[in-house]
Amino acid sequence: KAGVTQTPRYLIKTRGQQVTLSCSPISGHRSVSWYQQTPGQGLQFLFEYFSETQRNKGNFPGRFSGRQFSNSRSEMNVSTLELGDSALYLCASSSPGQGGTEAFFGQGTRLTVV
Amino acid sequence: DAKTTQPTSMDCAEGRAANLPCNHSTISGNEYVYWYRQIHSQGPQYIIHGLKNNETNEMASLIITEDRKSSTLILPHATLRDTAVYYCIVRPLNAGNNRKLIWGLGTSLAVNP
Repeated sequence: KAGVTQTPRYLIKTRGQQVTLSCSPISGHRSVSWYQQTPGQGLQFLFEYFSETQRNKGNFPGRFSGRQFSNSRSEMNVSTLELGDSALYLCASSSPGQGGTEAFFGQGTRLTVV
Repeated sequence: DAKTTQPTSMDCAEGRAANLPCNHSTISGNEYVYWYRQIHSQGPQYIIHGLKNNETNEMASLIITEDRKSSTLILPHATLRDTAVYYCIVRPLNAGNNRKLIWGLGTSLAVNP
């Protein structure tokens, strides 16, 4: 069973540009969450999608957005990039069900804004 | 959501047991304790979770105190590949899957030869 796949693995962008990151969850998983990880802040929750609907959102500005497609694949977009957006962006998927199910993470996309 | 407190760093000799503590004194009755680890530059990896009973799997054991205010992750025979940052997280039963996991800074475990 293939794991969570994130593309691209590495990305360098210039301030002011926009970027789109992609996440393919494990087959059959309908919940996809996104996290930002920076050295001093740890993992910060961005948002979660389930069946193409955003059902939870973290405390990030509106420049950060996402969506989920009917095949559960998800994308996140960051517009008007700032230097502080440089981070490892992680996607996690899990299957629906009762509490106690674990999340499976991808390898992440390392975004560098210059 | 309940917060967790973990030591910043720990050392362990290869082949010995690594015991990683976590304090979650404000945990609610419907919150699970989860442990993940993150090896440098990789995504976090699920290790184990539990509600109130001790749990064991092929990777580790989880010991939860009777009052559920703290827990210990045990790696019975640590290897160099276990060097990673270990995160202890509490999550409500009804939060639904991986929704909004609240992550601290974890414990950086160094396994030494």
